[in-house]
Amino acid sequence: QQPVQSPQAVILREGEDAVINCSSSKALYSVHWYRQKHGEAPVFLMILLKGGEQKGHDKISASFNEKKQQSSLYLTASQLSYSGTYFCGTERDGTASKLTFGTGTRLQVTL
Amino acid sequence: NAGVTQTPKFRVLKTGQSMTLLCAQDMNHEYMYWYRQDPGMGLRLIHYSVGEGTTAKGEVPDGYNVSRLKKQNFLLGLESAAPSQTSVYFCASSSPQGYEDEQYFGPGTRLTVT
Repeated sequence: QQPVQSPQAVILREGEDAVINCSSSKALYSVHWYRQKHGEAPVFLMILLKGGEQKGHDKISASFNEKKQQSSLYLTASQLSYSGTYFCGTERDGTASKLTFGTGTRLQVTL
Repeated sequence: NAGVTQTPKFRVLKTGQSMTLLCAQDMNHEYMYWYRQDPGMGLRLIHYSVGEGTTAKGEVPDGYNVSRLKKQNFLLGLESAAPSQTSVYFCASSSPQGYEDEQYFGPGTRLTVT
């Protein structure tokens, strides 16, 4: 079952913050976050495995709620390089790392 | 290391023609995947493989076949192309070892079926 991502699109000025959400109707094994720039391949950002987990690097972080049904990606003090489409990929069980991706959130950062 | 490579980058087919997309990885990964990406629909898993000689169906397998004769290669075949198969196809690979089993994606193949 495909996870639901929100919002579908967001426009930010450089330096502003954004939150992207990814929700599932059932508990998940893990959530992966990827960013894809136009015309390029998706690039891995991070994976969350444990309920209540929070992790991040630089100014991009993510959380996974206790019930393991929702994850949020936080982009702080956005930079022009953050522009792209963000996808969450969810894993129902730990078999073969099969991911079901959301439809994506298009993020545009402007000056 | 080249990572994940895909051949060809672009292809135009006529309805009913066949073709094979080649994916190669040099990271010694066990798992490999084929996705298609259509506007507004994200990435959808077509087939995947957990090791040499094994393949399994994903979300949207109809009209496609795959083979993994060598660990480093994963082939996607279209026996009789249809306009609905116009899409961008991505191959990815990952390793089951380690905590973060991220998927590494190839650059994609843009296929148009007329």
